Amino acid sequence: DAEITQSPRHKITETGRQVTLACHQTWNHNNMFWYRQDLGHGLRLIHYSYGVQDTNKGEVSDGYSVSRSNTEDLPLTLESAASSQTSVYFCASSLLTSEGTDTQYFGPGTRLTVL
Amino acid sequence: SQQGEEDPQALSIQEGENATMNCSYKTSINNLQWYRQNSGRGLVHLILIRSNEREKHSGRLRVTLDTSKKSSSLLITASRAADTASYFCATAPWGAQKLVFGQGTRLTINP
Repeated sequence: DAEITQSPRHKITETGRQVTLACHQTWNHNNMFWYRQDLGHGLRLIHYSYGVQDTNKGEVSDGYSVSRSNTEDLPLTLESAASSQTSVYFCASSLLTSEGTDTQYFGPGTRLTVL
Repeated sequence: SQQGEEDPQALSIQEGENATMNCSYKTSINNLQWYRQNSGRGLVHLILIRSNEREKHSGRLRVTLDTSKKSSSLLITASRAADTASYFCATAPWGAQKLVFGQGTRLTINP
């Protein structure tokens, strides 16, 4: 069965370190998204991609970067981790359609703690 | 900023009762979607309603959409303990492939 996976599931790091969160999907979806979820803020979009070599900034992109070298993977990098980036991170994917936004399929999340 | 605003933020009812959650949004949309999130898990898609639709059903779920009022409601009938979760509405702007999520409604079903 197709799926979307994230790794690691839990990560503790120190302020200033570079951290990369992995996201891998086997749905063959063109669209991939990264969100962060914080209490009181719901889900906020960090970065998204509509296909290989395409990346776009979302609502809260400062301090984060992504790259898309293939269809299956969209790794999220925190260039220099800050305590404000302590959060739960979700990756999602969806079909690219001409009719507008389709259903998004979410990974299980990565809980990141920055000390 | 969030486009969708859910109301109420939290809802607690007895098993067997119906649960209604509302979502309001600000701009024109292509479709509106509802997702469920169990504690510690990722979001799961429940239902999608397009801007030219007014009502949609899926099992015990009923979703309505009023584009003139920019609002939607999710009704869960005959609630079960397993329905305990957070529910999010997400709006799909025209011309974009991304969603904008609200802050969610936390639903608790008491046995």
